Amino acid sequence: AQKITQTQPGMFVQEKEAVTLDCTYDTSDQSYGLFWYKQPSSGEMIFLIYQGSYDEQNATEGRYSLNFQKARKSANLVISASQLGDSAMYFCAMREAAIQGAQKLVFGQGTRLTINP
Amino acid sequence: NAGVTQTPKFQVLKTGQSMTLQCAQDMNHEYMSWYRQDPGMGLRLIHYSVGAGITDQGEVPNGYNVSRSTTEDFPLRLLSAAPSQTSVYFCASSWGRRQETQYFGPGTRLLVL
Repeated sequence: AQKITQTQPGMFVQEKEAVTLDCTYDTSDQSYGLFWYKQPSSGEMIFLIYQGSYDEQNATEGRYSLNFQKARKSANLVISASQLGDSAMYFCAMREAAIQGAQKLVFGQGTRLTINP
Repeated sequence: NAGVTQTPKFQVLKTGQSMTLQCAQDMNHEYMSWYRQDPGMGLRLIHYSVGAGITDQGEVPNGYNVSRSTTEDFPLRLLSAAPSQTSVYFCASSWGRRQETQYFGPGTRLLVL
């Protein structure tokens, strides 16, 4: 079974600093996808970034980038120039194969990020 | 588009009661899923559907039933509520393309006493 591990329960960062949230994964599949989601205190799940296992370049979306190291099975999220609004829970997730091409997601336990002014 | 909607937002049940959590999407998505999120944890898949009439179990299906009679709706039924089912429930939908995110509803907070 696939597994996602996020080893940082909480992180505290000064505003405007860059922050890296760790994510390691375990899978025997050759084709897979990795997602990062943000969950603010209001509770909704907000998609941030996606990395496919065959993508040659690291994914980037604005201030978010994904440091994908396939051999080490890691997919760390990097947030540049952090802002107070970045304070939230962050979840790493992996797409797991399912029937008829469906997309099942396996989530890590999350990292609570707090940005200090 | 309303996206993915869930009702109710909050519900309190007594042990043994049954109820249905509603989920609807207006994006003509083929795939729909139910997840639960327990305090301090990530989401875990309960059931999912790949189209009307086709469903499959996820990681934690026990105590829940689903059916999908239309593309738009994917209700989750709790047959006999237990305190262990106290959680936040998220419904999600997508077209199923590999790189595509799932679109999540706002969640239903369920408390079973």
